[in-house]
Amino acid sequence: DAKTTQPNSMESNEEEPVHLPCNHSTISGTDYIHWYRQLPSQGPEYVIHGLTSNVNNRMASLAIAEDRKSSTLILHRATLRDAAVYYCIPLPPPDKLIFGTGTRLQVFP
Amino acid sequence: DAGVTQSPTHLIKTRGQQVTLRCSPKSGHDTVSWYQQALGQGPQFIFQYYEEEERQRGNFPDRFSGHQFPNYSSELNVNALLLGDSALYLCASSLYDRGNYGYTFGSGTRLTVV
Repeated sequence: DAKTTQPNSMESNEEEPVHLPCNHSTISGTDYIHWYRQLPSQGPEYVIHGLTSNVNNRMASLAIAEDRKSSTLILHRATLRDAAVYYCIPLPPPDKLIFGTGTRLQVFP
Repeated sequence: DAGVTQSPTHLIKTRGQQVTLRCSPKSGHDTVSWYQQALGQGPQFIFQYYEEEERQRGNFPDRFSGHQFPNYSSELNVNALLLGDSALYLCASSLYDRGNYGYTFGSGTRLTVV
């Protein structure tokens, strides 16, 4: 399983952009890069995934480095509801979602 | 469209007892994975079921077993409960071997062993 490195915690103010980095230097060529977040007292929630190209959806954007050894989850305008633990997870086939320690994001009003 | 449904939401058991947790996957999903999440930790992978068979397993003892039914729903059984089994148990559903597809998680079952 590919190893990931994420900051333990990050802080942001409301309405500001947030860039959450993830290093996954041992990722295999066929592993999709998934991001999930877990709000307090809830199960994890899918955020976004990608393989090689940058991806956008209604929740966030995912920027993937050209060598695929790192990626960055971008929240364009943080809200208080975005306060959560964010997990970056390389997903190999056949998939087995393995969580690391994640990044705890605090958002201040 | 109902997501993943888990039951019960909370459970209290005594050491040495057995427990069964249940999960109904999101409509259209064929794969169920189970996770254990201790307080303050990330979810730990227990096992994954597809086509009624255990396909992958994490580092959990044989006291943890499961089952998947023809309608894709699943059960997690834990025998001889230990205090250390107290945790939030999460079920996630997905499409098998589709790395380009997201997992959907339930809200979990909070198990307390006393």
